[in-house]
Amino acid sequence: KAGVTQTPRYLIKTRGQQVTLSCSPISGHRSVSWYQQTPGQGLQFLFEYFSETQRNKGNFPGRFSGRQFSNSRSEMNVSTLELGDSALYLCASSLGYQETQYFGPGTRLLVL
Amino acid sequence: DAKTTQPTSMDCAEGRAANLPCNHSTISGNEYVYWYRQIHSQGPQYIIHGLKNNETNEMASLIITEDRKSSTLILPHATLRDTAVYYCIAPSQYQGAQKLVFGQGTRLTINP
Repeated sequence: KAGVTQTPRYLIKTRGQQVTLSCSPISGHRSVSWYQQTPGQGLQFLFEYFSETQRNKGNFPGRFSGRQFSNSRSEMNVSTLELGDSALYLCASSLGYQETQYFGPGTRLLVL
Repeated sequence: DAKTTQPTSMDCAEGRAANLPCNHSTISGNEYVYWYRQIHSQGPQYIIHGLKNNETNEMASLIITEDRKSSTLILPHATLRDTAVYYCIAPSQYQGAQKLVFGQGTRLTINP
């Protein structure tokens, strides 16, 4: 069974732009969570979606948003990019919202 | 969230068993203990999880103390490829959803 896939794998943007990252969960998984990893803050939870509904949200500004489609694929969007948004963005999927989460390889975003 | 405490770093000789401790003294009765590892900027890899009983899979063994206040992850025959940051996590539940709170983890170095 294929694992979690994330696209693109690498991205370079400039301040003020917006970006959309995509995550395809493991087949059959209905829950998708997003995390941000930076050297200073470590791995931090962004939000979690189950059946197209956001069920949980971390402590991030409203510039960070996401959505989930009926096929469980998910996207996250960051608007008005700041230098501090440079990070590895990780997506994890699970069968349900209390099941083991499996991570994708991440999207590395660099904001210049 | 149940707070977990891990040593910052550990070394182990190749071929020997690597024993990684984790303290989670505030864990509640229904909170699982999960272990993930992350190899240099890749997505975290799920290793094993448990509630009360000891668990074993093809990657590792998990020993949980009877009072559930601590656990030990055992890699029975460590190889160089096991060099990674290992995270011990007790996921929090919020409105039925689960989020992973990553600490700093233990940086395990396997030496030839």
